[in-house]
Parts: sequence; C-alpha cells; structure tokens
Amino acid sequence: KQEVTQIPAALSVPEGENLVLNCSFTDSAIYNLQWFRQDPGKGLTSLLLIQSSQREQTSGRLNASLDKSSGRSTLYIAASQPGDSATYLCAAPNSGNTPLVFGKGTRLSVIA
Amino acid sequence: DTAVSQTPKYLVTQMGNDKSIKCEQNLGHDTMYWYKQDSKKFLKIMFSYNNKELIINETVPNRFSPKSPDKAHLNLHINSLELGDSAVYFCASSRDRVEQYFGPGTRLTVT
Repeated sequence: KQEVTQIPAALSVPEGENLVLNCSFTDSAIYNLQWFRQDPGKGLTSLLLIQSSQREQTSGRLNASLDKSSGRSTLYIAASQPGDSATYLCAAPNSGNTPLVFGKGTRLSVIA
Repeated sequence: DTAVSQTPKYLVTQMGNDKSIKCEQNLGHDTMYWYKQDSKKFLKIMFSYNNKELIINETVPNRFSPKSPDKAHLNLHINSLELGDSAVYFCASSRDRVEQYFGPGTRLTVT
C-alpha cells in the first residue's frame, strides 16, 4: 500500500530565496504524481502533475521532478514570495488505483 | 465557472443527526471521489466512484453512504453523526487517471 512522506513538515525562508520541498513514496508503480497547494481554510489547488514517463514539469517559478526508481519527487520554488506561503501537499496513487494518497504536507512561510 | 462545487461550505449539527453533502462537477469527468481531512490536516480517501459505480471504499463506517445519481454528481450522506466526524470533506473528480480537481471543501462540525 502506498505511503507518502514529506520533509520538512514546516519551512520558513526569507523572500527571494530558492527552496526545495521533498516528497517520497513507497510504491514506485505510479502512473503520475501530483503537487497541490492549500491555503489556510481553503481547498486544494493543483500545481503540477507529473506523468510517470516524465522526469520533470514546470509552471512559472515552480519545477517538480520525479524519480520513480528512488521513490522521490521534489518541488522547487524559485525566487520565493510572501504569496507562496501555504501548505504544499504531494500525492501519489495506489498502484492500479486512482485515489490519491497524500503526504502530511510542508507548511511554507515566506517572510518579507 | 466552478469546476467542482460542493454544498454546503459549512455545516454545524448535533450528534445523532443525519446530514448530506452534495458535490457536482462540470468537467465531464468519469471518476469522482470523497476525501476527509482531519483535525491534523491529514487527507485520506473515503470513496471513489467510476461511471456511477463504487470502485473504492476505504475503511469507512457504514454510517457514511455515497450516492451517485449521475456521472456529474456524488453526494455523501452521513447517518447518526458523531463528534469524530468533524472534519473537512473534499470532493474531487478526474478522467482517465489524469489530474484530479478538488472542490472547495465542506467543513463539518458536530457538537
């Protein structure tokens, strides 16, 4: 059964810094991996979806990588801004199934 | 246009009551889900429906019963509410194992 772990649980950085959020998963037979953002009291916003055939995906200042063999994904945020402050969630499906298994998230604070 | 919508956004009720949460998606997706986010913010799958048929039912009390009248709707009915049911419930949808889209969530508080 899939298990997803995110490190660190919380991160505080000064504005403008580049940062990396880490995600690891136990079952590498995934067909995709998804990164989400959740603001306090809000729903989930999909940031990036990486298909199993891809090694990375980019959207603006965000870059997500996927290494299935090692069971790892990273989310790179360039030139962080206070508006990036939120909880970032990594999610991967159980093998053969579509429901996502979520990590516990990394709570990011970008200080102006 | 809202892709995945849920009603109500907030629901406060007493123990023992029965309540329903509605979910609708206008994306033409064939699979819909219910997730629960507990007080520690941990998200976990509850149910998954594909083309109106239940395909996943995680270890959820049978007080929870999903109902899918058509492919665009997946409602969640909860009987005999308990304090531990207090959480945020998220509906989501997807097509062909691609990106999942989430609704805004329903915050359920049982007193």
